[in-house]
Amino acid sequence: KAGVTQTPRYLIKTRGQQVTLSCSPISGHRSVSWYQQTPGQGLQFLFEYFSETQRNKGNFPGRFSGRQFSNSRSEMNVSTLELGDSALYLCASSPSTSTYEQYFGPGTRLTVT
Amino acid sequence: EDQVTQSPEALRLQEGESSSLNCSYTVSGLRGLFWYRQDPGKGPEFLFTLYSAGEEKEKERLKATLTKKESFLHITAPKPEDSATYLCAVQLSLTGGGNKLTFGTGTQLKVEL
Repeated sequence: KAGVTQTPRYLIKTRGQQVTLSCSPISGHRSVSWYQQTPGQGLQFLFEYFSETQRNKGNFPGRFSGRQFSNSRSEMNVSTLELGDSALYLCASSPSTSTYEQYFGPGTRLTVT
Repeated sequence: EDQVTQSPEALRLQEGESSSLNCSYTVSGLRGLFWYRQDPGKGPEFLFTLYSAGEEKEKERLKATLTKKESFLHITAPKPEDSATYLCAVQLSLTGGGNKLTFGTGTQLKVEL
């Protein structure tokens, strides 16, 4: 069974630009969560989607948004990029919101200059 | 406020030298506690889920245990390939359900020959 895939793997953007990251969950998984990982803050929860609906949201500004499509694929968008947005963005999938285990993708490394 | 604390921050072991990593938590409504392994530049790899105090799970040289306030990851006779960052995360009972993991900052393990 293929794992969680994320594209692109690496991205360099300039302050003020916006970026869209993509995540394809494990086949059959309907819940997709996004996390930001930085050396200073560690892994922090951004949001979770299930059946195209946002179920939970972390403490991030409104510049961070996401969506989920009917095939469970998900995208997250960051607008008006800041230097502090440089991070590894991780996507995790789970069969449902009542199944606890989450399986992570390889991440997208975003660098903002 | 929900908190997850891991110790030590870094650990250096000789091959074959057994040790334990600690994850203490102060949360309300714990649904599950997770252990992940993360190699540099990669996404976290799922290891274990523990749901209730007294529960234990094993996988190769790793054994995870859970009490009401903390979890231990015991590493028996480690090998250099066990070198990685080990992350602990808790999942809480959320109104409306859903998946949200709160992570500790991890223990960076180095196993030397």
